[in-house]
Amino acid sequence: DTAVSQTPKYLVTQMGNDKSIKCEQNLGHDTMYWYKQDSKKFLKIMFSYNNKELIINETVPNRFSPKSPDKAHLNLHINSLELGDSAVYFCASSHLEDSKGYTFGSGTRLTVV
Amino acid sequence: EDQVTQSPEALRLQEGESSSLNCSYTVSGLRGLFWYRQDPGKGPEFLFTLYSAGEEKEKERLKATLTKKESFLHITAPKPEDSATYLCAGESSGTYKYIFGTGTRLKVLA
Repeated sequence: DTAVSQTPKYLVTQMGNDKSIKCEQNLGHDTMYWYKQDSKKFLKIMFSYNNKELIINETVPNRFSPKSPDKAHLNLHINSLELGDSAVYFCASSHLEDSKGYTFGSGTRLTVV
Repeated sequence: EDQVTQSPEALRLQEGESSSLNCSYTVSGLRGLFWYRQDPGKGPEFLFTLYSAGEEKEKERLKATLTKKESFLHITAPKPEDSATYLCAGESSGTYKYIFGTGTRLKVLA
């Protein structure tokens, strides 16, 4: 299936732990994104990579580090997890210059206890 | 500061009762205004892109329109399967960043 797939779907972890979320797209898109959706359903951009190059780096704690090994993958590593990091994290991809919008993954629900 | 505001926050309609959702925006150098649908537990799904004032796009029971300050998503004769959260987002020219609104939760009752 053509899609944006992210793993895991659910992640429950203790404060202070380090965790990673993986994302892969097989749509041939050149740009990938990480978004955070809070409890009020507000979606906020965190990072974006175009052809493996970082093009958007919003003001997020430096405990969050994205890594793009190739155009089809964008992973998110989070160090020293805090309660406030609990949210749903969405990966998305697109062609940077076209009008067809983003294709989103189904999200990773992170709960920090 | 770029901002996108959606209203109402929640809307309940009877099946067949047409209505409109509003998206007001202040986005510098708007490159595009996007509408998405989000079902519970899923990622947003792309619906429309609008580029210039006066533009309209249609898909089944949905029609999106754009003015210089706001966009409307008109839902004609909705069905229960149209129940979802509808999100709009403005993309600022040169930044490639979406600014999302907080969405309208639509519930269509049979």
